[in-house]
Amino acid sequence: GAVVSQHPSWVICKSGTSVKIECRSLDFQATTMFWYRQFPKQSLMLMATSNEGSKATYEQGVEKDKFLINHASLTLSTLTVTSAHPEDSSFYICSATSQRTSGSNEQFFGPGTRLTVL
Amino acid sequence: AQKVTQAQTEISVVEKEDVTLDCVYETRDTTYYLFWYKQPPSGELVFLIRRNSFDEQNEISGRYSWNFQKSTSSFNFTITASQVVDSAVYFCALSENTDKLIFGTGTRLQVFP
Repeated sequence: GAVVSQHPSWVICKSGTSVKIECRSLDFQATTMFWYRQFPKQSLMLMATSNEGSKATYEQGVEKDKFLINHASLTLSTLTVTSAHPEDSSFYICSATSQRTSGSNEQFFGPGTRLTVL
Repeated sequence: AQKVTQAQTEISVVEKEDVTLDCVYETRDTTYYLFWYKQPPSGELVFLIRRNSFDEQNEISGRYSWNFQKSTSSFNFTITASQVVDSAVYFCALSENTDKLIFGTGTRLQVFP
């Protein structure tokens, strides 16, 4: 149980275009979803936290107008990178917490999406 | 402020050697969780262990063992008889009274045959 999927697994786009990444909890309802960014050979950095039906909370230094997060249901969150530029090329990972494991602080991670902006 | 330090950026060992990955954390909370994750070349994070701050018992799972010492704020991870498949980046992470995870910088382990 507690499987999280991401789509697409990789994407290549031209500079200036927008890219949407989906994160789904397949077999549980996600109380909270998180979006991380990981540059090559670096650690995971939390970008934002989102709860279903409410606005996402962004970490300091993350542009909320550039990285749009929508958490429309308890099983789906989307991250849209607007007007992507080469410096946005990165590995984007989502995670989710389950109501079943609430209080344990455990997050279930998706497989990640590799974004390359040309 | 919360912080996780993994001082070893890269470790290389030969198969069957034992290897310990260090993790030191900082937190002001008395209740917190510590985690270890493995990230193989595919990129997907693999959960290894969660430990809460009130449980200082060491844990062993097969060739993996963890040593949690609150006195030194450390949560070290040992792989016994390492194998090539253990080659990956290993992250230690801390979570306080929210669900947020703070990751260390990771340790890249290379196990050579």
